[in-house]
Amino acid sequence: KQEVTQIPAALSVPEGENLVLNCSFTDSAIYNLQWFRQDPGKGLTSLLLIQSSQREQTSGRLNASLDKSSGRSTLYIAASQPGDSATYLCAVETGANSKLTFGKGITLSVRP
Amino acid sequence: SAVISQKPSRDICQRGTSLTIQCQVDSQVTMMFWYRQQPGQSLTLIATANQGSEATYESGFVIDKFPISRPNLTFSTLTVSNMSPEDSSIYLCSAWGDPTSPEQYFGPGTRLTVT
Repeated sequence: KQEVTQIPAALSVPEGENLVLNCSFTDSAIYNLQWFRQDPGKGLTSLLLIQSSQREQTSGRLNASLDKSSGRSTLYIAASQPGDSATYLCAVETGANSKLTFGKGITLSVRP
Repeated sequence: SAVISQKPSRDICQRGTSLTIQCQVDSQVTMMFWYRQQPGQSLTLIATANQGSEATYESGFVIDKFPISRPNLTFSTLTVSNMSPEDSSIYLCSAWGDPTSPEQYFGPGTRLTVT
């Protein structure tokens, strides 16, 4: 059974800091890994998707990497801003039915 | 990308009643999914809504409690039946339908409180 872990559960940083959010998964036989952002009381916004054959994806100040063999992914946020404050969820797709298994998320607070 | 809307956005319901949540996608999609996010927890898949056939439920979820409909390629409903306070959660609908990308898109969620 696939399990996804995100540690720590919460993180507080000053504005402008570069930071790394970690995600680990137990079964390396994944199709892809997706990072989402969730604002309080809101749904999920897709940030980046890395397919199993890829090593990283970039979008603006965000860079996500994938090391499938070790069961790890990182989301790098450059020059953090207060608007980046949200919960960041990592999810992996395993199996042919597009099912996503989620971690519990990391709640990020960027202090002005 | 797909834009997904859900109705209602939130509701407060009494124990023992049922609530039907609607999910509308702005384009035809192959697969639709229903997730539950309990307070302080991550998302758990309830079922996959299949067009033209019965939904496929995950372990721990049953059709009598969470009946699902998928009448066409853009719409699905989830009913939470005979509700108890333990059903208080955010219910999210998601969709996948672009054969060129495995990316899934999510609706804004329905926040349900059962008293």
